Amino acid sequence: EPEVTQTPSHQVTQMGQEVILRCVPISNHLYFYWYRQILGQKVEFLVSFYNNEISEKSEIFDDQFSVERPDGSNFTLKIRSTKLEDSAMYFCATPGRVTEAFFGQGTRLTVV
Amino acid sequence: QQQVKQSPQSLIVQKGGISIINCAYENTAFDYFPWYQQFPGKGPALLIAIRPDVSEKKEGRFTISFNKSAKQFSLHIMDSQPGDSATYFCAALYSGAGSYQLTFGKGTKLSVIP
Repeated sequence: EPEVTQTPSHQVTQMGQEVILRCVPISNHLYFYWYRQILGQKVEFLVSFYNNEISEKSEIFDDQFSVERPDGSNFTLKIRSTKLEDSAMYFCATPGRVTEAFFGQGTRLTVV
Repeated sequence: QQQVKQSPQSLIVQKGGISIINCAYENTAFDYFPWYQQFPGKGPALLIAIRPDVSEKKEGRFTISFNKSAKQFSLHIMDSQPGDSATYFCAALYSGAGSYQLTFGKGTKLSVIP
């Protein structure tokens, strides 16, 4: 069972619009990561977020992206001005007991 | 140096056969090597993982073989079943700096035919 739930499951947006993807932990996690997977390609790390701060980010995570924990429970990934190439599955994940990552079901973002 | 190379890209195996997927890495700092299974429309699910201080780990029908000197590791699925048909990703992580940044291979689409 995933330890996080993601909403929405699918979002269609016009190019240039802002989108917010949400991730809600089942238990009280402080550590979150976001990954993305362009259709048919590998899963790529975007950012890790710990205790309300970004702890790591990849080259993909540019100024168009931001992460927040707006209300102490859910985590959000915001893309300010979407581009066609932002179309992908976006996964949030939480750490397990050791080093493993548990992924949510994902949000499919389609930019048209 | 951060890449993880995975092969084959796709694999067709008869039911009951052995599926073998291979991965190679370059960064010797990697110290955790998980395999993820992904069904269409779902997130990757952790299948099995290994650290480089052991050469093999077995969980049920799934076995990871690890060759530290060659910087290679592989997943073996024994007695492959149609329900194993999925995309499999190897990954690697350097956990020493408290990092959770997994580097994934490009995936192998496994089809197990009856």
